[in-house]
Amino acid sequence: GQQVMQIPQYQHVQEGEDFTTYCNSSTTLSNIQWYKQRPGGHPVFLIQLVKSGEVKKQKRLTFQFGEAKKNSSLHITATQTTDVGTYFCAEGNTGKLIFGQGTTLQVKP
Amino acid sequence: EAGVAQSPRYKIIEKRQSVAFWCNPISGHATLYWYQQILGQGPKLLIQFQNNGVVDDSQLPKDRFSAERLKGVDSTLKIQPAKLEDSAVYLCASSLGQGRETQYFGPGTRLLVL
Repeated sequence: GQQVMQIPQYQHVQEGEDFTTYCNSSTTLSNIQWYKQRPGGHPVFLIQLVKSGEVKKQKRLTFQFGEAKKNSSLHITATQTTDVGTYFCAEGNTGKLIFGQGTTLQVKP
Repeated sequence: EAGVAQSPRYKIIEKRQSVAFWCNPISGHATLYWYQQILGQGPKLLIQFQNNGVVDDSQLPKDRFSAERLKGVDSTLKIQPAKLEDSAVYLCASSLGQGRETQYFGPGTRLLVL
């Protein structure tokens, strides 16, 4: 079945450093959604990418969808302690979301 | 607007016991989902309802898990009997419709099976 692989599994950065997580699939993705889950919390929707090569920005967060629609990335510029959490990509087509394993971000103040 | 409500928030049971979780989706959301999230993993869909009909339950272990959404609003997920490997967070989510709709997650129920 459809699988999305996410790397890295963990990332520790110093506050102010940049952070990137990558999501890859062996098959073409219809769309990619990104979620953030704070420690002890629930997934919160960040954004959805649908078009090949699409780039969207939310303040310090930049989301990209690959030209072949087989990969996606989330880049955070100048991390802050509030960015701590696990970031998931998920492929969704008919509503069924298939989540990656997530990348857990720790930010040292 | 109220979010997705779930109860209980925490539950500890012994293996072979039964447990039930309740979910109240966002008002007007036709689609309701139950996910299982094991520690260190992403959520895995167990079952998806569209109104009171099941759309996808392919990953629901039907020998022990059951779910219903009789009136197309609230939903319950039951495990009977529970196994140690059922220890996880059970997340309920809802969306306006199917397809690429944004899913809104509830706070989850943390289940520990001893």
